[in-house]
Amino acid sequence: GAVVSQHPSRVICKSGTSVKIECRSLDFQATTMFWYRQFPKKSLMLMATSNEGSKATYEQGVEKDKFLINHASLTLSTLTVTSAHPEDSSFYICSARQDRYEQYFGPGTRLTVT
Amino acid sequence: GNSVTQMEGPVTLSEEAFLTINCTYTATGYPSLFWYVQYPGEGLQLLLKATKADDKGSNKGFEATYRKETTSFHLEKGSVQVSDSAVYFCALRVQNTGNQFYFGTGTSLTVIP
Repeated sequence: GAVVSQHPSRVICKSGTSVKIECRSLDFQATTMFWYRQFPKKSLMLMATSNEGSKATYEQGVEKDKFLINHASLTLSTLTVTSAHPEDSSFYICSARQDRYEQYFGPGTRLTVT
Repeated sequence: GNSVTQMEGPVTLSEEAFLTINCTYTATGYPSLFWYVQYPGEGLQLLLKATKADDKGSNKGFEATYRKETTSFHLEKGSVQVSDSAVYFCALRVQNTGNQFYFGTGTSLTVIP
């Protein structure tokens, strides 16, 4: 199947700093990318949907100024957690979809804010 | 609304045991149903899916049948292997929500030799 990568796989940052997570579709062009957050023992919660070249659509309750999403090309989307705090510590997963095809998920990024 | 309820884990089984992971759903539209598997350190992979009532999805010895009358999509395997150890997610997707996925909480399965 199609491959989606995320970088970094783990990141530790200090409170108040910003951290960027990349999501890449390696062998297909992703017109739409999704960002999820997974809490311990909880399901994946959709944070936002981004279409290449347009602004992301955020789910209710997700702060768009805190979680900046950029989908500048058909193979790359980035999630920047700005002014991170310990409560932002979580597992962030992206997925990518080419037109109406299946979504393919990345391996996730473990963010720890100290 | 749309939601998925999945049996809580963790589940520990001996090799060759029978596996059932229960999954029920609520949906405002007519959903497609999925099981995803996440092996340690890897992303979610589609295991199987069913798009309409009474469809049976199957892959790698796993099966699940779309039961509209009971709003269920239970995952089964007749004889598990150590390599099946992973976290399993039940999910639904409803077209009128822009193909958004709704996931269950995941069930961790450990198979011991």
